[in-house]
Amino acid sequence: KNEVEQSPQNLTAQEGEFITINCSYSVGISALHWLQQHPGGGIVSLFMLSSGKKKHGRLIATINIQEKHSSLHITASHPRDSAVYICAVARGGSGSRLTFGEGTQLTVNP
Amino acid sequence: DAGITQSPRHKVTETGTPVTLRCHQTENHRYMYWYRQDPGHGLRLIHYSYGVKDTDKGEVSDGYSVSRSKTEDFLLTLESATSSQTSVYFCAISDRDTYEQYFGPGTRLTVT
Repeated sequence: KNEVEQSPQNLTAQEGEFITINCSYSVGISALHWLQQHPGGGIVSLFMLSSGKKKHGRLIATINIQEKHSSLHITASHPRDSAVYICAVARGGSGSRLTFGEGTQLTVNP
Repeated sequence: DAGITQSPRHKVTETGTPVTLRCHQTENHRYMYWYRQDPGHGLRLIHYSYGVKDTDKGEVSDGYSVSRSKTEDFLLTLESATSSQTSVYFCAISDRDTYEQYFGPGTRLTVT
């Protein structure tokens, strides 16, 4: 079993819909990251959080440390949100090595 | 955007040949990482560096070596490329204070 599990693997939505992507992990962590991988392949960091909730524009990330679970929400989704969203956990200690989920492919149709 | 470049961006090579991928940063960040990304596996850490001449293995380090002689450059070498090393390779950097990672554009390597 992977240490980081994402669901769903694939998600198709209509423009304007509220979207939720989930991430569960099985190890102790110091921080959790949400990344976005564009269709062209580039990877961008969206959020890094260790507790509570963060918001940036239409994106909201939450984490529940006790339940070892995080969610990424997209409000008022748009076709330009179509991408792969990747959850990763940092286990602390030396450096900030990350363990990644396999990603969620999001497609938002107009 | 963080100043990270990777070279080459695309490479096709034959089995058994040596290959070196370069990651260059202009951010003076301490930590540098090499990952590979494969369908069904997501991103996996190959090697990382926590300073000049300080490197350590990741979860999929077999068949790979790295070197970091300067803060700005982190080299990944495949001593004798195999078809199983066909992948997309990403370099990343992080500042110890924030731990946020910034990724390079990736190198698509095909071993025939």
